[in-house]
Amino acid sequence: AQSVTQPDIHITVSEGASLELRCNYSYGATPYLFWYVQSPGQGLQLLLKYFSGDTLVQGIKGFEAEFKRSQSSFNLRKPSVHWSDAAEYFCAVGLGSQGNLIFGKGTKLSVKP
Amino acid sequence: DGGITQSPKYLFRKEGQNVTLSCEQNLNHDAMYWYRQDPGQGLRLIYYSQIVNDFQKGDIAEGYSVSREKKESFPLTVTSAQKNPTAFYLCASSIMGLAGLSSYNEQFFGPGTRLTVL
Repeated sequence: AQSVTQPDIHITVSEGASLELRCNYSYGATPYLFWYVQSPGQGLQLLLKYFSGDTLVQGIKGFEAEFKRSQSSFNLRKPSVHWSDAAEYFCAVGLGSQGNLIFGKGTKLSVKP
Repeated sequence: DGGITQSPKYLFRKEGQNVTLSCEQNLNHDAMYWYRQDPGQGLRLIYYSQIVNDFQKGDIAEGYSVSREKKESFPLTVTSAQKNPTAFYLCASSIMGLAGLSSYNEQFFGPGTRLTVL
């Protein structure tokens, strides 16, 4: 069965430090991969997506993610974290023609001053 | 501005009452979705609809019902059969397009409704 794993429930980084959030997926076909961000009490906003082509994907707010087929991973990175990046981050895999997404359980990011 | 609206933002109901959550979109999207979010559980799919007058159960449909009479609207009813209805509910929509075309899988989310059953 398809699944998405985000191994880290909660991560704390200092402002200005680099960030990497991990995402592993299990899916038989070529995956459609997404990262979303959610501020407390809000809906989800798309950060970036991967469908095909270049495995390094650039998104909004300075985020990027790299698709590694051999590792079934799609990790999210940011070189320098800002206090406003504190939020919960969700990785998701799209189920092709059905249009459905399977979400990981999320990683909550806290930023220390 | 195009987008998805959910109302109300906060909803309180007594145990045993049915309650309907509203979701409206003006993005002209074909597909609409309802998710339930609980702390530490991520998003779980309740129902989805790919076209008007048609919908399918998601992973946790028990105790919920939906309708899709208009393209723009996809209301969710939380019935008294739902054993633990207190949660944050998110509605989303996407363009379906032709089957297999990857660019149509991106989902756009509303701001959510927090339902508390007392």
